[in-house]
Amino acid sequence: GAGVSQSPSNKVTEKGKDVELRCDPISGHTALYWYRQSLGQGLEFLIYFQGNSAPDKSGLPSDRFSAERTGGSVSTLTIQRTQQEDSAVYLCASSSQPESATEAFFGQGTRLTVV
Amino acid sequence: TQLLEQSPQFLSIQEGENLTVYCNSSSVFSSLQWYRQEPGEGPVLLVTVVTGGEVKKLKRLTFQFGDARKDSSLHITAAQPGDTGLYLCAGAYGYGNKLVFGAGTILRVKS
Repeated sequence: GAGVSQSPSNKVTEKGKDVELRCDPISGHTALYWYRQSLGQGLEFLIYFQGNSAPDKSGLPSDRFSAERTGGSVSTLTIQRTQQEDSAVYLCASSSQPESATEAFFGQGTRLTVV
Repeated sequence: TQLLEQSPQFLSIQEGENLTVYCNSSSVFSSLQWYRQEPGEGPVLLVTVVTGGEVKKLKRLTFQFGDARKDSSLHITAAQPGDTGLYLCAGAYGYGNKLVFGAGTILRVKS
C-alpha cells in the first residue's frame, strides 16, 4: 500500500510481558515518528528518526521503551515488562522532508491494552 | 509540561455557530501545522503555516500564524456536524524540525 502501515492493529497483553509494535513508513520518507495517544487526548512524542542522524529519544517515558529503525525503513517500538499505564494507542508517522515543513502521514495506530 | 498549549480542550456547539481554537507556546516554531483526527484513525493534515503573520483559508476554516511564530489559531465559520473531531496543532522546532503536538481540542457540532 501507499500509506503508513502499522501492525498489529490491536494488541492485548498481560502485565509484565514484552510487546513489539511495527511501523512500515511510506517508501522514501526519511523521517519517522512514534507517538502515544490516550483516549481523546493529544499526541505524546516518543521518538524521532531522521535519516542517518542519531534518533531523538527524548520522549521515551522509561528505559522499558526502545525503538529501532532498520535500513532507514521499517521501525519497531518495543515495550518491555509492560504496565497497565502503557495502555494507549501508539501512532507512527513518516514525512519526506521535515526541514521543509512537509506533511506527516500517520498510520491507523496500534491499540495496546495491558491487562 | 506541554510545549504547545491548546484551548479550549472541549467545545460543543450548535450547527451554524462560529468557533476559534487557540494554540500557544513560549517557543518559536519554524512552522506550525493543524491536523484533524476522527475516531480510530490517524491525524490528517489540514494546513501548514510557515511565515509569521500568515493567514490561510480552507473553505470555512481560517488559520493564522502569530507574528512571532509562537502561536496560531483556527477559526471555523458556520460549523457543520461533519466538522466534529479532534483538532491538533503541531509545531516543528529544533534540530531536524521535530514535530510536537498540543493536547488537542475535541469539537462536537450538534445538528
